[in-house]
Amino acid sequence: EDQVTQSPEALRLQEGESSSLNCSYTVSGLRGLFWYRQDPGKGPEFLFTLYSAGEEKEKERLKATLTKKESFLHITAPKPEDSATYLCALWGSASKIIFGSGTRLSIRP
Amino acid sequence: DGGITQSPKYLFRKEGQNVTLSCEQNLNHDAMYWYRQDPGQGLRLIYYSQIVNDFQKGDIAEGYSVSREKKESFPLTVTSAQKNPTAFYLCASSIELGGEAFFGQGTRLTVV
Repeated sequence: EDQVTQSPEALRLQEGESSSLNCSYTVSGLRGLFWYRQDPGKGPEFLFTLYSAGEEKEKERLKATLTKKESFLHITAPKPEDSATYLCALWGSASKIIFGSGTRLSIRP
Repeated sequence: DGGITQSPKYLFRKEGQNVTLSCEQNLNHDAMYWYRQDPGQGLRLIYYSQIVNDFQKGDIAEGYSVSREKKESFPLTVTSAQKNPTAFYLCASSIELGGEAFFGQGTRLTVV
């Protein structure tokens, strides 16, 4: 059974303090792994798709990486506006998307 | 502007009533989805549709129903059989089933 687990549940950082969010997964046939950002009371906003181990993608202060067992979302020198919940989602062979429970990121000025 | 529109943003339902949540997209996407999100939890799939006039149950379909009569529209009905309907409901669409999904802004349903 395909599964995805995100850690930590919550992360508080000082502005400028870099860190990483983890998304561990098990899948019978990976077709893609997605990262989304969700602000309170809003729908998730698409960030990245990773298709194979070793792939990396960047957008501003965010970089997503993928191995055969996990994905990381690296946040470099974050700003308060980066505060949000970050969701990863797994696209497996069954074509359904399975979402993790998310990491709530809070950046203090 | 292309996108997904959900309405209403807030919805209150009395126990025993059916309510319908609207979802419209103008992205020309074939696949559409309904998810439920409870506080502190991830998104759980209710129903999905790969093409017009076809839809499949997701992981938590009991107490819900959908229709897909037009490519652009995928309404969700929360029936009185749904025991705990208070939640945040999200509609999404993608070019193909399982691909990158784009979400609406959600409908928050509260049972009063």
